[in-house]
Amino acid sequence: SQKIEQNSEALNIQEGKTATLTCNYTNYSPAYLQWYRQDPGRGPVFLLLIRENEKEKRKERLKVTFDTTLKQSLFHITASQPADSATYLCALEDAGNMLTFGGGTRLMVKP
Amino acid sequence: NAGVTQTPKFRVLKTGQSMTLLCAQDMNHEYMYWYRQDPGMGLRLIHYSVGEGTTAKGEVPDGYNVSRLKKQNFLLGLESAAPSQTSVYFCASSYLLAGNTGELFFGEGSRLTVL
Repeated sequence: SQKIEQNSEALNIQEGKTATLTCNYTNYSPAYLQWYRQDPGRGPVFLLLIRENEKEKRKERLKVTFDTTLKQSLFHITASQPADSATYLCALEDAGNMLTFGGGTRLMVKP
Repeated sequence: NAGVTQTPKFRVLKTGQSMTLLCAQDMNHEYMYWYRQDPGMGLRLIHYSVGEGTTAKGEVPDGYNVSRLKKQNFLLGLESAAPSQTSVYFCASSYLLAGNTGELFFGEGSRLTVL
């Protein structure tokens, strides 16, 4: 069966460091992958989309990589700030042509 | 521009009661979705709609019904609520179908507790 794995344990880092979140998937062949941010009590907000033929995508302090051989996407936040603290969700196109979401990883940036 | 608005934001039901969650979007999007989010489970698709008057089942449709009588509204109904339906429900909309690079715009969520 199709499966998306994100680290369910919170990632705690110090302000100014680079945060790296991982999204692994099995039994998918997605043409693209999306990342969303979710704050407590709020709905997810779209951040970035990366296509299978793009190895890397950047947006301000955010960088996403997509390795279709490893079946993995890495999400980086450089020069992290306490305001970056949130849960980050990855989402893949599934066989039904819908988006399927991972469980998310909570990031805590300490000042 | 309100985006996607969900009502109510909170609701407590007793087992067997019925209720309807309302989702409204003002972006003229064709596609609308209902997800539920449970701890450790991620967002799971309940039902979706590709246009006014159409609906389709998602991953976890049992116990729910939906209607899309107007393009801007997508209703999620629980005919006989069960404790297993305690969850946070999110409505989303998109300009393109989600599986075709459609970025989803989410509402703020509706927290439902079934006792």
